[in-house]
Amino acid sequence: EVQLVESGGGLIQPGGSLRISCAASGFIVSSNYISWVRQAPGKGLEWVSVIYSGGSTFFADSVKGRCTISRDNSKNSLYLQMSSLRVEDTAVYYCARGYFYENSGYYDYWGRGTQVTVSS
Amino acid sequence: SYVLTQPPSVSVAPGQAARITCGGNNIGSESVHWYQQKPGQAPVLVIYYDGDRPSGIPERFSGSNSGNTATLTISRVEAGDEADYFCQVWDSSSDHPWVFGGGTKLTVL
Repeated sequence: EVQLVESGGGLIQPGGSLRISCAASGFIVSSNYISWVRQAPGKGLEWVSVIYSGGSTFFADSVKGRCTISRDNSKNSLYLQMSSLRVEDTAVYYCARGYFYENSGYYDYWGRGTQVTVSS
Repeated sequence: SYVLTQPPSVSVAPGQAARITCGGNNIGSESVHWYQQKPGQAPVLVIYYDGDRPSGIPERFSGSNSGNTATLTISRVEAGDEADYFCQVWDSSSDHPWVFGGGTKLTVL
């Protein structure tokens, strides 16, 4: 059974740093593309970052230069390192597995999310 | 970047059909995917590639896509269908191609 479990969220002051994790089971992280998608309170879904099976990474303009995404194949896990955090980064952060076929992609599995709150 | 437009809310009585639209420039030439999100829960894929249903999703959920509008139709709506619904496309012209609509709150009266 495919599962994604996020952890590491919390309350952090503006300007601080935080690393959130996503532990996967039921599939191999390094053979898939995995994204971070966030949702601010009462708002919609915002794509944040992706790491492809080949290792390429991409980021939304809103976090570019402040975030890095990585994976640990030995732990079958994914990470999002965030720095210079802003109040507007406050959101539930989901990791989601992507599926790509015939020039389109979607997310077939999502974790339950981890809450990141940036506040003084 | 590609923009998807959804109505903020749709209301429907139980047993009736709900139609949730997703507008985009020539969206009919794209594949559209739909997610359901209930309060406090993660999104769940309910329709992919315009009209395919993942296993476990009731046949009451269907999708169509043509011209500038994609539509998610939920027939015989039940109270348990009350949720937010998001459409999503893959914008191949962008290096961050996952584009979501703003979401539609479905209220079952």
